[in-house]
Amino acid sequence: SAVISQKPSRDICQRGTSLTIQCQVDSQVTMMFWYRQQPGQSLTLIATANQGSEATYESGFVIDKFPISRPNLTFSTLTVSNMSPEDSSIYLCSVERTRLANEQFFGPGTRLTVL
Amino acid sequence: GESVGLHLPTLSVQEGDNSIINCAYSNSASDYFIWYKQESGKGPQFIIDIRSNMDKRQGQRVTVLLNKTVKHLSLQIAATQPGDSAVYFCAGMGQGGKLIFGQGTELSVKP
Repeated sequence: SAVISQKPSRDICQRGTSLTIQCQVDSQVTMMFWYRQQPGQSLTLIATANQGSEATYESGFVIDKFPISRPNLTFSTLTVSNMSPEDSSIYLCSVERTRLANEQFFGPGTRLTVL
Repeated sequence: GESVGLHLPTLSVQEGDNSIINCAYSNSASDYFIWYKQESGKGPQFIIDIRSNMDKRQGQRVTVLLNKTVKHLSLQIAATQPGDSAVYFCAGMGQGGKLIFGQGTELSVKP
């Protein structure tokens, strides 16, 4: 499995501010994904981030709200912009290892609270 | 549409007993499924996967069964231990290679 780290692990932010979450993988991967997990709920895919191309967003998520960077094959960032209390969630990155096709491994998550 | 759902939100078992967690999927879900375990404060941990050309796959103390006729997936945990207490999610690979998660079942193991 891949070793995935996320920074920060948690944060408390004020309404209207932005937070950038970092995801670092210990090996090169083609596909990286960003998910949101609202309190007590399941995971919802925000977007797919591939190196060298723009992220692909799922229905209900837009680039202006959740800009994503993927500068290389081991790193990605997700920014939660102009935050409101409704953005309070756990944000998780995951990677797909092409060698073991389709398996996705998750980072530990970033717990965000917006006041 | 695509959906993956779980039958029960909570499951309580006695330590040492076997646990069975169920999951249903819709007609348009893919032919690849994963079970994840999520402990409090952590990200989902890959447990086991199965493709639709299989009915059963076994791991260490875990077995996944796939019934394509009724579009049903289950995770069996043998000799459940306190360390198995967590929320378990099934996920199906949907259109475009994206994982669609079920709502989760919280497993509690009583000593």
